[in-house]
Amino acid sequence: AQSVSQHNHHVILSEAASLELGCNYSYGGTVNLFWYVQYPGQHLQLLLKYFSGDPLVKGIKGFEAEFIKSKFSFNLRKPSVQWSDTAEYFCAVNEGLTGGGNKLTFGTGTQLKVEL
Amino acid sequence: NAGVTQTPKFRVLKTGQSMTLLCAQDMNHEYMYWYRQDPGMGLRLIHYSVGEGTTAKGEVPDGYNVSRLKKQNFLLGLESAAPSQTSVYFCASSRPPGATGEQFFGPGTRLTVL
Repeated sequence: AQSVSQHNHHVILSEAASLELGCNYSYGGTVNLFWYVQYPGQHLQLLLKYFSGDPLVKGIKGFEAEFIKSKFSFNLRKPSVQWSDTAEYFCAVNEGLTGGGNKLTFGTGTQLKVEL
Repeated sequence: NAGVTQTPKFRVLKTGQSMTLLCAQDMNHEYMYWYRQDPGMGLRLIHYSVGEGTTAKGEVPDGYNVSRLKKQNFLLGLESAAPSQTSVYFCASSRPPGATGEQFFGPGTRLTVL
């Protein structure tokens, strides 16, 4: 079974600072990777996803992530964070299920707080 | 287009009580999932369904049952609630394999078992 590690559990940044959140996964084969965001009191929303092709993926709200296969990593970045980016961020990897369906294995999440 | 909806949004139960959480999706997705979210543990898959009338166990199925009588609905039942089931429950849906694998999530149900 897959596992996903997010090493930063809590991150506090000032507005305009750069952000990088780490994500490592365990599976060595073909993977589909995702970053989801959960704003306070809201449901999970997809930030970006990687399936194939260009390893640098751009998502919504100025976020991007780089897939580095040799490092089993899919780190999330944003050059300049805003107060509205305060949220919890989850990295996830897609894994096929017996009989069909796709299971998302999530990391434990990174709580980002952006201070004014 | 409402996407994925869940009812209720909040619920408090006493130990031993039962309840059913309802998930509905209007995207005609084949696959539906129930996850629970606990602090410091991310989301864990409870049960899932690959189509109407079919269900299967996920990582943490004990204490839960599910049913998928209609394609658009996926019900999660707790027959005898325990404090360990205090959590936030998320439903999700997705298209079949061969598509993106992206899952669409509902707003969650916050359940407290006293």
